Amino acid sequence: GENVEQHPSTLSVQEGDSAVIKCTYSDSASNYFPWYKQELGKGPQLIIDIRSNVGEKKDQRIAVTLNKTAKHFSLHITETQPEDSAVYFCAATADTGRRALTFGSGTRLQVQP
Amino acid sequence: GAGVSQTPSNKVTEKGKYVELRCDPISGHTALYWYRQSLGQGPEFLIYFQGTGAADDSGLPNDRFFAVRPEGSVSTLKIQRTERGDSAVYLCASSRTGNSPLHFGNGTRLTVT
Repeated sequence: GENVEQHPSTLSVQEGDSAVIKCTYSDSASNYFPWYKQELGKGPQLIIDIRSNVGEKKDQRIAVTLNKTAKHFSLHITETQPEDSAVYFCAATADTGRRALTFGSGTRLQVQP
Repeated sequence: GAGVSQTPSNKVTEKGKYVELRCDPISGHTALYWYRQSLGQGPEFLIYFQGTGAADDSGLPNDRFFAVRPEGSVSTLKIQRTERGDSAVYLCASSRTGNSPLHFGNGTRLTVT
């Protein structure tokens, strides 16, 4: 099955700096890659996703890049704010008919004011 | 609008007892998923429903775990003869179709003493 590795496990940045989180996946058939933000005591919240027919997607301060050849994808957050502090998860799935997502182990992002 | 609702938010039970966890998906969402999240880990897939039927139950760890969705809306995850290792946050998610993004509830924190 699919295996998703996520790095780093923790990331501390100064407010206004950029943050980058990287993930690799094992199944070359994977074609959908969402990113989730999880705050303490809450469920994961989808923040951005990308499909395999696109190399990059941007939504305001958040962008995701995908390299299918290398089987890795990254989350980029620019102009970080304290409210960006949370745990971020990447995920991947090879099945377009069902969203049995395989998640990475998470990155705890701390934005220092 | 209303999101995915999970009840109870917390459940403490004794080893060997039976528990039921409930999920109310977003109205009109045909796909429903159960995930389990251990401390410091990403969510792990348990089971996926499309309508009333379990389309994929490959993530259920053993036969003590069972889930139903009799009318294609509310779902119940049932755990028999609970063990301390079952302690985790159980997350439910729904999506409009099998190919749509997942929306997660806030989970039920299950503690088996």
